[in-house]
Amino acid sequence: GAVVSQHPSWVICKSGTSVKIECRSLDFQATTMFWYRQFPKQSLMLMATSNEGSKATYEQGVEKDKFLINHASLTLSTLTVTSAHPEDSSFYICSAQGGEWDNEQFFGPGTRLTVL
Amino acid sequence: AQSVTQLGSHVSVSEGALVLLRCNYSSSVPPYLFWYVQYPNQGLQLLLKYTTGATLVKGINGFEAEFKKSETSFHLTKPSAHMSDAAEYFCAVSLLPQAGTALIFGKGTTLSVSS
Repeated sequence: GAVVSQHPSWVICKSGTSVKIECRSLDFQATTMFWYRQFPKQSLMLMATSNEGSKATYEQGVEKDKFLINHASLTLSTLTVTSAHPEDSSFYICSAQGGEWDNEQFFGPGTRLTVL
Repeated sequence: AQSVTQLGSHVSVSEGALVLLRCNYSSSVPPYLFWYVQYPNQGLQLLLKYTTGATLVKGINGFEAEFKKSETSFHLTKPSAHMSDAAEYFCAVSLLPQAGTALIFGKGTTLSVSS
């Protein structure tokens, strides 16, 4: 299977600061990347879908100005949590799809964000 | 609209016992169905998937699932549980398998395995 990485794996920041999370497809070109959010002991909730070179499509209830998504290349998508607050603390997981893996999503290992 | 229901948020079995994790779906069109496993603080790993063809799907680590259209179910089974199977399991559905189609996840089932 294909490999997707996320960086950082764990980040702690102060309230009011911005945090950038990177999602990379290491061995394939991801035309589509998805960002999910997972609260403790809960399921994954889709936040947005991003296609390379175009604006992300956000799910209802997700603030696009707060969660900035950039899919600038076929191997990299970034999620920036702007002016983070404690309620933004969560586990953020990306997945990627594309190329020969056009019919399957591969998930990154996740990023644990803690906002103090 | 599509949805996934996983019956039982927590399942406990003894090592060597049968594992059965239940998943029912709702979809207006033939669905594509997936089972993922998640270990603590990690991402999701695909166990198996059903797209078309044979309704009994075999996956990794000895797991298998059967698509039953009449019951709108896609239950996950393993004949003999191992301690390493303890994890969170998610059933997911999508309308289409190809790029750009998001997955809809169930709430997850925590599997505990005791010795």
